[in-house]
Amino acid sequence: QKEVEQNSGPLSVPEGAIASLNCTYSDRGSQSFFWYRQYSGKSPELIMSIYSNGDKEDGRFTAQLNKASQYVSLLIRDSQPSDSATYLCAVNPGGDNRLAFGKGNQVVVIP
Amino acid sequence: EPEVTQTPSHQVTQMGQEVILRCVPISNHLYFYWYRQILGQKVEFLVSFYNNEISEKSEIFDDQFSVERPDGSNFTLKIRSTKLEDSAMYFCASTGADLGEQYFGPGTRLTVT
Repeated sequence: QKEVEQNSGPLSVPEGAIASLNCTYSDRGSQSFFWYRQYSGKSPELIMSIYSNGDKEDGRFTAQLNKASQYVSLLIRDSQPSDSATYLCAVNPGGDNRLAFGKGNQVVVIP
Repeated sequence: EPEVTQTPSHQVTQMGQEVILRCVPISNHLYFYWYRQILGQKVEFLVSFYNNEISEKSEIFDDQFSVERPDGSNFTLKIRSTKLEDSAMYFCASTGADLGEQYFGPGTRLTVT
């Protein structure tokens, strides 16, 4: 079983729409959850962290965590062409200090 | 805004050669990491370092790899005898708190020929 799964294929959204990304994780002991954005050829850039159940909003981004369902999601409101990137879900599995990453979801915002 | 820096940005080496990748973590951070990303694949953890010793390492981090904090600012990854399959982007990251937000450097693209 993969530690972190992001199964959706590339996501195309019109400019101004909401992009919704999902992630599941396998280790129930995980305590810290992160979303990173990665442009092609660049390094992961932290955009959101979430540690407790519920929603966390930061500007146009909202992260949602449901530990019972082992599920993390990211909403991008009012999507802009500059949001076109690969979004990586990352987890500290079982309280380990390391990050386990999903394979990422590519988002394409169409002007 | 403080950031993680890495040098070189691109390193080309021949198979069997030793390489050292360098990182300067954010100055007040205590936990340091190396990750790698083979082209088209996910980011993979290699090693974490805290209080001048390795705290965790993955199966990838075998005897060919070593890390060092030679002074108060630098954090290095050494690959003793490079293989073709070591070709990847290598990212350094740091955080100020256990299980906290990790900030990544721009990466070093290692090409082994």
